[in-house]
Amino acid sequence: AQKITQTQPGMFVQEKEAVTLDCTYDTSDPSYGLFWYKQPSSGEMIFLIYQGSYDQQNATEGRYSLNFQKARKSANLVISASQLGDSAMYFCAMREGLGTSYDKVIFGPGTSLSVIP
Amino acid sequence: DTGVSQDPRHKITKRGQNVTFRCDPISEHNRLYWYRQTLGQGPEFLTYFQNEAQLEKSRLLSDRFSAERPKGSFSTLEIQRTEQGDSAMYLCASSVGLRDRTYEQYFGPGTRLTVT
Repeated sequence: AQKITQTQPGMFVQEKEAVTLDCTYDTSDPSYGLFWYKQPSSGEMIFLIYQGSYDQQNATEGRYSLNFQKARKSANLVISASQLGDSAMYFCAMREGLGTSYDKVIFGPGTSLSVIP
Repeated sequence: DTGVSQDPRHKITKRGQNVTFRCDPISEHNRLYWYRQTLGQGPEFLTYFQNEAQLEKSRLLSDRFSAERPKGSFSTLEIQRTEQGDSAMYLCASSVGLRDRTYEQYFGPGTRLTVT
């Protein structure tokens, strides 16, 4: 079974508009973390934002916010005021067993975001 | 530059040859990870080290793959008897470990392997 699902292979957004990238996950572990990474065409993986399963508030980092709905097991990334430089692949990822030596991050298949001028 | 570095950035090899990649993590990071990424896919976990101990190993890591981190600093990933299916980007990442509340992993630029 897929642990991380990203149902949008490709998305388009107008420059300066907001966009939501979907991510759902599957785990029975009560202690886990969710990440979003950006991978531009240059290939480097860039960390964007992190949400822990016990965090009470949704994470925000500048123009990035994570819409965490624990009961629905979703962790959507919201990018506000899109910029041309936001065009990239975006990966949702999950790490189970926080605080233990078990440390394996599972990545989703990714969503390709294109920002239109 | 104090980020994660990987060497070489590109490697072209013939099927059946052995290849070795190196990863230098951020100096104060005690966890090091290897991933494989094929075109159009997300990274797939291969293995990780806590200092010099290899604590987790994916089923993807066949007997032809071996990874080491002998002194808890840099790591090497060796692929023996390469096959065309091994063609991929091999990514290395590091993190602080249990002390890191964000559990963020910092990635290197990757080594792109092409097996002909």
